[in-house]
Amino acid sequence: EVQLQQSGAELVKPGASVKLSCKTSGYTFSNYYMSWLKQMPGQNIEWIGNIYGGNGGTGYNQKFKGKATLTVDKSSSTAYMDLSSLTSEDSAVYFCARNYGSYFDYWGQGVMVTVSS
Amino acid sequence: EIVLTQSPTTTAASPGEKVTITCLASSSVSNMYWYQQKSGASPKLLIYSTSSLASGVPDRFSGSGSGTSYSLTINTMEAEDAATYYCQQWSSNPPTFGAGTKLELK
Repeated sequence: EVQLQQSGAELVKPGASVKLSCKTSGYTFSNYYMSWLKQMPGQNIEWIGNIYGGNGGTGYNQKFKGKATLTVDKSSSTAYMDLSSLTSEDSAVYFCARNYGSYFDYWGQGVMVTVSS
Repeated sequence: EIVLTQSPTTTAASPGEKVTITCLASSSVSNMYWYQQKSGASPKLLIYSTSSLASGVPDRFSGSGSGTSYSLTINTMEAEDAATYYCQQWSSNPPTFGAGTKLELK
């Protein structure tokens, strides 16, 4: 069974950074891309970028370049996303989701990031 | 980027009623994907490649369309179908989602 387990909720101060994790199981991590997506409360879903589990190759939404950095640890089948210089606009739920071609077939449970002093 | 416009924004249906949600793309796309999201949960894939049912999805759900106009249909509404539905495209980067259609049980 494919599973994507995300790390717990984060409360961070403005200007700080946070690193989110997405631990996978049930499939060959290095054969797929993993995407990260953002959903602000009651709002649309935005694609941040994706990373290939095999070689760490990345693609980013221009809107999130400089804000998000994606990495992987193949040894633990885990994907990571660093978010930097956090502001209130970064307060949202962040999902990891496995790419299958042009869509997202499995999703993590999501992690709430709250930016507040 | 391609903008996806969903309608209606909100709707309500009685059990057994037919529901149709539309998704209009600002440019032609080759395929559309549909997700269901219940409150507090992550999105769940319903339809891929415009009209193919994802594994485990009841066959009362169906998808159709081409070019710039796509739709998701629920043939007979059930209580468990109350949720928000999103369309998504990845014919060009970045992939984008519609703003969602909230479906309530009447």
